Amino acid sequence: ETGVTQSPTHLIKTRGQQVTLRCSSQSGHNTVSWYQQALGQGPQFIFQYYREEENGRGNFPPRFSGLQFPNYSSELNVNALELDDSALYLCASSFYADTQYFGPGTRLTVL
Amino acid sequence: DQQVKQNSPSLSVQEGRISILNCDYTNSMFDYFLWYKKYPAEGPTFLISISSIKDKNEDGRFTVFLNKSAKHLSLHIVPSQPGDSAVYFCAASYPTGANNLFFGTGTRLTVIP
Repeated sequence: ETGVTQSPTHLIKTRGQQVTLRCSSQSGHNTVSWYQQALGQGPQFIFQYYREEENGRGNFPPRFSGLQFPNYSSELNVNALELDDSALYLCASSFYADTQYFGPGTRLTVL
Repeated sequence: DQQVKQNSPSLSVQEGRISILNCDYTNSMFDYFLWYKKYPAEGPTFLISISSIKDKNEDGRFTVFLNKSAKHLSLHIVPSQPGDSAVYFCAASYPTGANNLFFGTGTRLTVIP
């Protein structure tokens, strides 16, 4: 059974640029959630995708957007990057509302 | 507004002794609680969970206790092992909707050999 994978592992961007992060869900899972973890904080919910539709959103601006594909993989897109967007971005997959299992994360640095 | 709080940033325990990690929450609508463990450069790993209809759940060396009236839960690890050294996050979710998790800020556990 393959776990949750994320790519890339690290990336560096400058303010104003756009970034796309990718996530492959665990086998048998149909729901993907994205979280942002700033340094010294716990993960914060960005949004969740189920059946290719957004199924809930946290307190993040519209420049954070996402997609889910028919194979349940997902992308997180962030436009107009700001310095405060520097964080670890975590993807978690689940079978609908069951326990969420996390990937290793993507470390984004915005300069 | 932090709805899930872990007030101890760090905890050190001798190998073989009990580790007790605490978590408080403010929202009485939460009905499902989880503990995750995180090693550096890895994502959080699910450890154990508890529903609000229970007050205790055990899995091997790990036991979670829930006190709904106090809005408090704790994770007991016994006996503690050096491999348990990690950051532990408490998380909570609502019964409906996107089951998004609300996390605490984590407690770094160090088990001293």
